[in-house]
Amino acid sequence: NAGVTQTPKFQVLKTGQSMTLQCAQDMNHNSMYWYRQDPGMGLRLIYYSASEGTTDKGEVPNGYNVSRLNKREFSLRLESAAPSQTSVYFCASSESPAWAFEQYFGPGTRLTVL
Amino acid sequence: EDQVTQSPEALRLQEGESSSLNCSYTVSGLRGLFWYRQDPGKGPEFLFTLYSAGEEKEKERLKATLTKKESFLHITAPKPEDSATYLCAVQAIPTGGGNKLTFGTGTQLKVEL
Repeated sequence: NAGVTQTPKFQVLKTGQSMTLQCAQDMNHNSMYWYRQDPGMGLRLIYYSASEGTTDKGEVPNGYNVSRLNKREFSLRLESAAPSQTSVYFCASSESPAWAFEQYFGPGTRLTVL
Repeated sequence: EDQVTQSPEALRLQEGESSSLNCSYTVSGLRGLFWYRQDPGKGPEFLFTLYSAGEEKEKERLKATLTKKESFLHITAPKPEDSATYLCAVQAIPTGGGNKLTFGTGTQLKVEL
């Protein structure tokens, strides 16, 4: 099993450009999440999908949109990138939203916005 | 608002020198407390889940414990390969769905020969 995979691994954008970060999991998990990690801030939740067909905002959703394409895939879109969105982005998945199931993380995407 | 504070921010140990990392938390009601390990340039790797005060879990040189206000990650006789950032996270009750976690900023551990 590959677990959680993310593409791309690195990306450099200019202010105002758009891009989509892709995430897929092969663990048959119901819930998927997008986080960003910044120095001194810890991991912060951007959006999550408790189950296929549902999405909800997390702590820092402004400037982002998500799509739960199917049970396996959850994408994050930046419509007009800003330097404040320079960060490392992690996708995660968990078995169910109903209890304290652990989340499994992908390797991350390092995004720089110039 | 849920809060997680980890200390120290950084810790340097000699190989074999045991120590503990602290995770203090404030939640309305705890559903679960999680420990993760993160190596540079990689995603967090799950270590433990603790659910109630008094619970303990072990894995190799690591032992996690939980009280009503904090959790400790004890590292016994560490080796250089234990060097990493250790993250603590909590899930509160009620969750409102989605198993949302609140993370601390981590403790960066370096174990030297």
